[in-house]
Amino acid sequence: EIVLTQSPSTLSLSPGERATLSCRASQTISTSLAWYQQRPGQAPRLLIYDASHRATGISPRFRGSGSGTDFTLTISSLEPEDFALYFCQHRSNWPTFGQGTKVEIK
Amino acid sequence: QVQLVESGGGLGKPGGSLRLSCAASGFTFNDYYMSWVRQTPGKALEWVSFISKKGETTYYRKSVEGRFTVSRDNAKNSLYLQMNNLRTEDTAVYYCVRATVIAVDGVFYPEYFYYWGQGTLVTVSS
Repeated sequence: EIVLTQSPSTLSLSPGERATLSCRASQTISTSLAWYQQRPGQAPRLLIYDASHRATGISPRFRGSGSGTDFTLTISSLEPEDFALYFCQHRSNWPTFGQGTKVEIK
Repeated sequence: QVQLVESGGGLGKPGGSLRLSCAASGFTFNDYYMSWVRQTPGKALEWVSFISKKGETTYYRKSVEGRFTVSRDNAKNSLYLQMNNLRTEDTAVYYCVRATVIAVDGVFYPEYFYYWGQGTLVTVSS
């Protein structure tokens, strides 16, 4: 089973700053990776699929990159609504998720 | 627009049973594979089960295999999860999810999770 490790577990930043979130896979997975955002009290929302493609309606300030084992989600300039929990996910044969990164207000 | 509304969560006892339902609308339900994904109290996300468009093929994560049964009624645009022999570690918010699928060697697997319901909380405790 492929294990996804996200870092850091918590990122403390101010609105307007850039956020850089990391997801590392235990084996190479090409670009088969998605990112989700979960705001408090809400269900997860797909942001990025196939490592770098934004889902419908997702702001261009969200950018996904990477391939192989190392992936990054960059939020170019944090808006108040971006302070949330973020997960990466690989489809594998059966889907697996990273443990999450919380982006909190500094 | 796509809507997925779960129901049926609540308090269950270890060894007991619960049945979750998901009412789908805003899309042609029988055109899509469906999944259940759960989120533990510690916020970890876990894929639980997967069912084909007609319901003839189902898959489960190992920890629920033999205890949970996923089914669907396309005439009612509904998805179900029968949960038997509950364990405390089944405590979670359960989401009904519409996923894209990918075919590998002729077998379809869930790929990415596009549409999520609001979730229903299942608590297993004596």
